[in-house]
Amino acid sequence: AQKVTQAQTEISVVEKEDVTLDCVYETRDTTYYLFWYKQPPSGELVFLIRRNSFDEQNEISGRYSWNFQKSTSSFNFTITASQVVDSAVYFCALRGYSGGYQKVTFGTGTKLQVIP
Amino acid sequence: EAQVTQNPRYLITVTGKKLTVTCSQNMNHEYMSWYRQDPGLGLRQIYYSMNVEVTDKGDVPEGYKVSRKEKRNFPLILESPSPNQTSLYFCASSLGYGQGSNQPQHFGDGTRLSIL
Repeated sequence: AQKVTQAQTEISVVEKEDVTLDCVYETRDTTYYLFWYKQPPSGELVFLIRRNSFDEQNEISGRYSWNFQKSTSSFNFTITASQVVDSAVYFCALRGYSGGYQKVTFGTGTKLQVIP
Repeated sequence: EAQVTQNPRYLITVTGKKLTVTCSQNMNHEYMSWYRQDPGLGLRQIYYSMNVEVTDKGDVPEGYKVSRKEKRNFPLILESPSPNQTSLYFCASSLGYGQGSNQPQHFGDGTRLSIL
Protein backbone atom coordinates (compact mmCIF):
# COMPACT_ATOMS: atom_id res chain seq x y z
CA ALA A 1 0.00 0.00 0.00
CA GLN A 2 1.16 3.53 -0.65
CA LYS A 3 0.76 6.47 1.69
CA VAL A 4 1.30 10.22 1.61
CA THR A 5 1.65 12.23 4.80
CA GLN A 6 1.33 15.99 5.05
CA ALA A 7 1.89 16.63 8.73
CA GLN A 8 1.24 20.37 8.53
CA THR A 9 -2.50 20.90 8.67
CA GLU A 10 -2.45 24.69 8.57
CA ILE A 11 0.30 27.27 8.12
CA SER A 12 0.08 31.05 8.38
CA VAL A 13 2.78 33.33 7.06
CA VAL A 14 3.09 37.03 6.48
CA GLU A 15 3.28 38.15 2.88
CA LYS A 16 6.78 37.99 1.36
CA GLU A 17 7.93 35.31 3.75
CA ASP A 18 9.17 32.00 2.35
CA VAL A 19 7.19 28.91 3.26
CA THR A 20 7.94 25.21 2.89
CA LEU A 21 5.26 22.57 2.72
CA ASP A 22 6.30 19.10 3.79
CA CYS A 23 5.37 15.82 2.14
CA VAL A 24 6.52 12.35 3.15
CA TYR A 25 5.51 9.29 1.18
CA GLU A 26 5.63 5.52 1.36
CA THR A 27 5.54 3.13 -1.58
CA ARG A 28 6.88 -0.26 -2.58
CA ASP A 29 6.96 0.67 -6.25
CA THR A 30 10.36 1.32 -7.74
CA THR A 31 8.84 3.67 -10.30
CA TYR A 32 6.50 6.37 -9.12
CA TYR A 33 5.60 9.99 -9.70
CA LEU A 34 5.09 12.80 -7.23
CA PHE A 35 2.93 15.87 -7.71
CA TRP A 36 1.86 19.02 -5.93
CA TYR A 37 -1.59 20.47 -6.57
CA LYS A 38 -3.17 23.68 -5.33
CA GLN A 39 -6.81 24.13 -4.41
CA PRO A 40 -7.70 27.82 -4.01
CA PRO A 41 -10.89 28.88 -2.19
CA SER A 42 -12.76 28.68 -5.50
CA GLY A 43 -12.35 24.90 -5.33
CA GLU A 44 -10.64 23.87 -8.54
CA LEU A 45 -7.53 21.69 -8.45
CA VAL A 46 -4.50 23.15 -10.17
CA PHE A 47 -1.31 21.26 -11.01
CA LEU A 48 1.90 22.89 -9.78
CA ILE A 49 4.92 20.62 -10.03
CA ARG A 50 5.91 16.98 -10.59
CA ARG A 51 8.91 14.73 -10.11
CA ASN A 52 9.76 11.20 -11.28
CA SER A 53 11.22 8.70 -8.84
CA PHE A 54 14.30 8.25 -10.98
CA ASP A 55 15.12 11.95 -11.18
CA GLU A 56 16.26 13.55 -7.95
CA GLN A 57 17.29 16.83 -9.48
CA ASN A 58 15.74 19.68 -7.62
CA GLU A 59 14.48 22.66 -9.53
CA ILE A 60 13.19 26.14 -9.25
CA SER A 61 10.33 27.49 -11.31
CA GLY A 62 9.62 31.12 -10.64
CA ARG A 63 8.69 31.42 -6.97
CA TYR A 64 8.26 27.66 -6.62
CA SER A 65 10.98 25.18 -5.83
CA TRP A 66 10.99 21.61 -4.67
CA ASN A 67 13.30 19.30 -2.81
CA PHE A 68 12.96 15.62 -3.63
CA GLN A 69 15.00 13.30 -1.42
CA LYS A 70 14.53 9.62 -2.11
CA SER A 71 16.63 8.65 0.92
CA THR A 72 14.11 10.24 3.27
CA SER A 73 11.04 9.71 1.04
CA SER A 74 10.29 13.41 1.08
CA PHE A 75 9.07 15.80 -1.57
CA ASN A 76 8.92 19.26 -0.04
CA PHE A 77 7.62 22.32 -1.82
CA THR A 78 8.75 25.88 -1.17
CA ILE A 79 7.10 29.13 -2.12
CA THR A 80 9.49 32.05 -2.07
CA ALA A 81 8.23 35.55 -1.27
CA SER A 82 4.68 34.39 -0.62
CA GLN A 83 1.73 36.41 -1.86
CA VAL A 84 -1.88 36.61 -0.72
CA VAL A 85 -2.91 34.77 -3.90
CA ASP A 86 -0.93 31.77 -2.65
CA SER A 87 -3.54 31.25 0.07
CA ALA A 88 -4.98 27.83 -0.70
CA VAL A 89 -4.92 24.19 0.27
CA TYR A 90 -1.93 22.36 -1.14
CA PHE A 91 -1.96 18.64 -1.82
CA CYS A 92 0.94 16.29 -2.38
CA ALA A 93 0.13 13.21 -4.46
CA LEU A 94 1.87 9.96 -5.33
CA ARG A 95 1.12 8.01 -8.51
CA GLY A 96 2.43 4.48 -8.20
CA TYR A 97 3.38 2.39 -11.19
CA SER A 98 3.03 -1.29 -10.50
CA GLY A 99 2.49 -3.93 -13.16
CA GLY A 100 0.96 -1.36 -15.49
CA TYR A 101 -1.56 -0.19 -12.91
CA GLN A 102 -1.36 3.30 -11.50
CA LYS A 103 -3.04 4.10 -8.23
CA VAL A 104 -2.98 7.68 -6.99
CA THR A 105 -2.80 8.64 -3.32
CA PHE A 106 -3.17 12.18 -2.04
CA GLY A 107 -2.09 13.60 1.28
CA THR A 108 -4.64 15.25 3.53
CA GLY A 109 -3.54 18.71 2.45
CA THR A 110 -1.94 21.75 4.02
CA LYS A 111 -3.95 24.92 4.27
CA LEU A 112 -1.76 27.95 3.68
CA GLN A 113 -2.87 31.39 4.74
CA VAL A 114 -0.79 34.33 3.59
CA ILE A 115 -1.50 37.40 5.66
CA PRO A 116 -1.09 40.81 4.01
CA GLU B 1 -10.61 23.93 -24.93
CA ALA B 2 -9.17 20.93 -23.08
CA GLN B 3 -11.46 20.03 -20.25
CA VAL B 4 -13.00 17.46 -17.97
CA THR B 5 -16.74 17.92 -17.62
CA GLN B 6 -18.75 16.57 -14.72
CA ASN B 7 -22.50 16.58 -14.35
CA PRO B 8 -24.36 17.43 -12.28
CA ARG B 9 -22.44 20.03 -10.30
CA TYR B 10 -24.81 19.76 -7.35
CA LEU B 11 -27.27 17.08 -6.35
CA ILE B 12 -29.42 16.54 -3.29
CA THR B 13 -31.11 13.16 -3.17
CA VAL B 14 -32.39 10.55 -0.76
CA THR B 15 -31.00 7.32 0.57
CA GLY B 16 -31.36 4.39 -1.80
CA LYS B 17 -32.19 6.28 -4.97
CA LYS B 18 -29.73 5.27 -7.67
CA LEU B 19 -27.73 8.07 -9.21
CA THR B 20 -25.05 8.52 -11.84
CA VAL B 21 -22.47 11.29 -12.06
CA THR B 22 -21.14 11.65 -15.56
CA CYS B 23 -17.58 12.54 -16.50
CA SER B 24 -16.31 13.29 -19.97
CA GLN B 25 -12.91 14.43 -21.24
CA ASN B 26 -11.91 15.74 -24.66
CA MET B 27 -8.15 15.19 -24.47
CA ASN B 28 -8.02 11.55 -25.63
CA HIS B 29 -6.59 10.56 -22.26
CA GLU B 30 -6.25 6.90 -21.38
CA TYR B 31 -6.30 7.36 -17.60
CA MET B 32 -9.42 8.49 -15.78
CA SER B 33 -10.20 8.49 -12.11
CA TRP B 34 -12.78 9.41 -9.49
CA TYR B 35 -12.01 10.94 -6.11
CA ARG B 36 -14.01 12.05 -3.14
CA GLN B 37 -12.91 14.96 -0.99
CA ASP B 38 -13.92 15.13 2.66
CA PRO B 39 -12.76 17.64 5.30
CA GLY B 40 -9.53 16.55 6.92
CA LEU B 41 -9.15 13.54 4.64
CA GLY B 42 -7.92 15.12 1.45
CA LEU B 43 -8.80 13.43 -1.83
CA ARG B 44 -9.28 9.70 -1.82
CA GLN B 45 -9.33 7.67 -4.99
CA ILE B 46 -12.50 5.66 -5.54
CA TYR B 47 -11.83 3.95 -8.87
CA TYR B 48 -9.54 4.50 -11.78
CA SER B 49 -9.37 3.29 -15.35
CA MET B 50 -6.25 2.69 -17.38
CA ASN B 51 -8.20 2.51 -20.64
CA VAL B 52 -11.45 1.30 -22.16
CA GLU B 53 -12.79 -1.73 -20.29
CA VAL B 54 -9.88 -1.59 -17.78
CA THR B 55 -10.81 -0.40 -14.31
CA ASP B 56 -9.44 -0.99 -10.83
CA LYS B 57 -10.30 -0.09 -7.27
CA GLY B 58 -8.79 2.84 -5.49
CA ASP B 59 -8.74 3.24 -1.73
CA VAL B 60 -12.47 3.70 -1.10
CA PRO B 61 -14.46 1.74 -3.72
CA GLU B 62 -17.22 0.40 -1.46
CA GLY B 63 -20.68 1.55 -2.53
CA TYR B 64 -19.57 2.76 -5.96
CA LYS B 65 -19.47 1.35 -9.47
CA VAL B 66 -17.82 2.61 -12.62
CA SER B 67 -17.70 1.67 -16.26
CA ARG B 68 -15.44 2.64 -19.15
CA LYS B 69 -17.12 1.72 -22.39
CA GLU B 70 -15.72 4.67 -24.30
CA LYS B 71 -12.41 6.39 -23.91
CA ARG B 72 -13.89 9.82 -23.21
CA ASN B 73 -16.50 8.83 -20.62
CA PHE B 74 -16.16 7.47 -17.10
CA PRO B 75 -19.43 7.60 -15.14
CA LEU B 76 -19.62 7.05 -11.40
CA ILE B 77 -22.65 5.08 -10.25
CA LEU B 78 -24.10 4.98 -6.76
CA GLU B 79 -26.65 2.19 -6.90
CA SER B 80 -27.97 2.64 -3.36
CA PRO B 81 -26.59 5.90 -1.98
CA SER B 82 -26.25 6.36 1.75
CA PRO B 83 -25.63 9.50 3.85
CA ASN B 84 -21.94 8.58 4.34
CA GLN B 85 -21.47 9.13 0.60
CA THR B 86 -22.28 12.81 1.01
CA SER B 87 -19.13 14.43 -0.31
CA LEU B 88 -17.44 16.50 -3.01
CA TYR B 89 -16.52 14.33 -5.97
CA PHE B 90 -13.88 15.02 -8.58
CA CYS B 91 -13.26 13.29 -11.88
CA ALA B 92 -9.80 13.53 -13.43
CA SER B 93 -7.98 12.38 -16.54
CA SER B 94 -4.43 12.17 -17.80
CA LEU B 95 -2.19 10.34 -20.20
CA GLY B 96 -1.62 6.90 -18.83
CA TYR B 97 1.18 4.87 -20.32
CA GLY B 98 4.93 5.16 -20.45
CA GLN B 99 6.10 8.73 -20.26
CA GLY B 100 2.50 9.77 -20.01
CA SER B 101 2.46 8.39 -16.50
CA ASN B 102 4.27 11.42 -15.20
CA GLN B 103 1.72 13.80 -16.63
CA PRO B 104 -0.51 15.64 -14.19
CA GLN B 105 -4.17 14.96 -13.98
CA HIS B 106 -6.74 17.39 -15.30
CA PHE B 107 -9.65 17.74 -12.89
CA GLY B 108 -13.29 18.52 -13.40
CA ASP B 109 -14.95 21.27 -11.39
CA GLY B 110 -16.40 18.85 -8.87
CA THR B 111 -19.83 17.50 -8.00
CA ARG B 112 -21.27 18.16 -4.57
CA LEU B 113 -23.54 15.30 -3.54
CA SER B 114 -25.83 15.40 -0.53
CA ILE B 115 -27.55 12.15 0.42
CA LEU B 116 -30.37 12.65 2.91
